Amino acid sequence: QSVLTQPPSMSATPGQRVTISCSGSNSNIGRDTVSWYRQLPGSAPKLLIYDNDQRPSGVPDRFSGSKSGTSASLAISGLRSEDAADYYCASWDVSPSGHVKFGGGTKLSVL
Amino acid sequence: QLQESGPGLVKPSETLSLTCNVSRDYLSTSAYYWAWIRQSPGKGLEWIASVYYSGKTYYEPSLRSRVTISADKSRSQFSLGLTSLTAADTAVYYCASSPGGSDFLFWGQGILVTVSS
Repeated sequence: QSVLTQPPSMSATPGQRVTISCSGSNSNIGRDTVSWYRQLPGSAPKLLIYDNDQRPSGVPDRFSGSKSGTSASLAISGLRSEDAADYYCASWDVSPSGHVKFGGGTKLSVL
Repeated sequence: QLQESGPGLVKPSETLSLTCNVSRDYLSTSAYYWAWIRQSPGKGLEWIASVYYSGKTYYEPSLRSRVTISADKSRSQFSLGLTSLTAADTAVYYCASSPGGSDFLFWGQGILVTVSS
């Protein structure tokens, strides 16, 4: 069981808005920033969001991130078929010493 | 760009050595965290270790006793050592870099390592 908890799977239809949650604790999300990644089959993950709500250059504004307390969310609006992928959150964790934790991942299906 | 290299097949109980070659001189000029992350077949991402620009190292607590990460700025590469391998270490191993610690902006393509006799 991952320290950062995500729903294992979600589904939505094209054009919809979907929100993926990531629940942590005071030793990770509660005290550090959250990043989000998208991974297509057979490919390396791609950074979508960093510092909770910042998008790297080239990531469309359909993707947005937020954080509140020990939880974070990734929202995808105007869902497209190519958004079908695995999504992971990540955060620095200080307990027992500094390290990185990934969420278990959410498999998003676009029906 | 990041590029992993190493063996694709390793025997149980042996030690895995992987190298990540970093293009240009980014390893010596960029204040980044340089990391190894793995993904077992059909599973999620697991961070293994990071080495910061300064040389400070960070390890996943559950793997700490078996892992070593190091960087060689003169050769523009960083490396991973993982001892006492078992089948559970079979995974695609990625090298990646992060400006802030957990925001991995650049990734290698990954290398599949199979632990089998």
